[in-house]
Amino acid sequence: ILNVEQSPQSLHVQEGDSTNFTCSFPSSNFYALHWYRWETAKSPEALFVMTLNGDEKKKGRISATLNTKEGYSYLYIKGSQPEDSATYLCASQTGANNLFFGTGTRLTVIP
Amino acid sequence: ETGVTQSPTHLIKTRGQQVTLRCSSQSGHNTVSWYQQALGQGPQFIFQYYREEENGRGNFPPRFSGLQFPNYSSELNVNALELDDSALYLCASSFGGSGETQYFGPGTRLLVL
Repeated sequence: ILNVEQSPQSLHVQEGDSTNFTCSFPSSNFYALHWYRWETAKSPEALFVMTLNGDEKKKGRISATLNTKEGYSYLYIKGSQPEDSATYLCASQTGANNLFFGTGTRLTVIP
Repeated sequence: ETGVTQSPTHLIKTRGQQVTLRCSSQSGHNTVSWYQQALGQGPQFIFQYYREEENGRGNFPPRFSGLQFPNYSSELNVNALELDDSALYLCASSFGGSGETQYFGPGTRLLVL
């Protein structure tokens, strides 16, 4: 079992603010890091899969970075909007096929 | 939406009973993974099926079993239900395994009384 940790556990920001969260994972046997956005009553939505140290990915106002040597990834949201309110999950993948998830960061964007 | 569907959406069972949960994978995907999410925790890997064969298993007892069919849909079976089996069960489909994006269904919420 991999110990994947996310912080903060929850976060409230004002509309228009930029924010970021952290995902830390064991750097040994690392294969890939996955980010998901999960809105209530919906399916988790895949945001990014990153594999290489130094990887940066972007999707609209959301971006992510990866540091495999020190075992962390950051997710950034620029100019938060109410529709960004969701739980953001990260999952680390080793050479095996299963994902080890953190407990998520619950983001609330206040209009 | 991801194109991954699960049924039923909700289910109530009593201790000792058996349950079968179903998952239809996204078109073109040959791999289905199952996860259990207990309250306040992240999803935990149960097992994965690739081309109808089990392809990895998490730390779950043998009373959790599964199947994958030729059309790559899948079932999760849980025997001798316990109160702690109450959780959201998620399936995810992908094409292949390592490093591929897994696309999740909306889950089945199981309550064991």
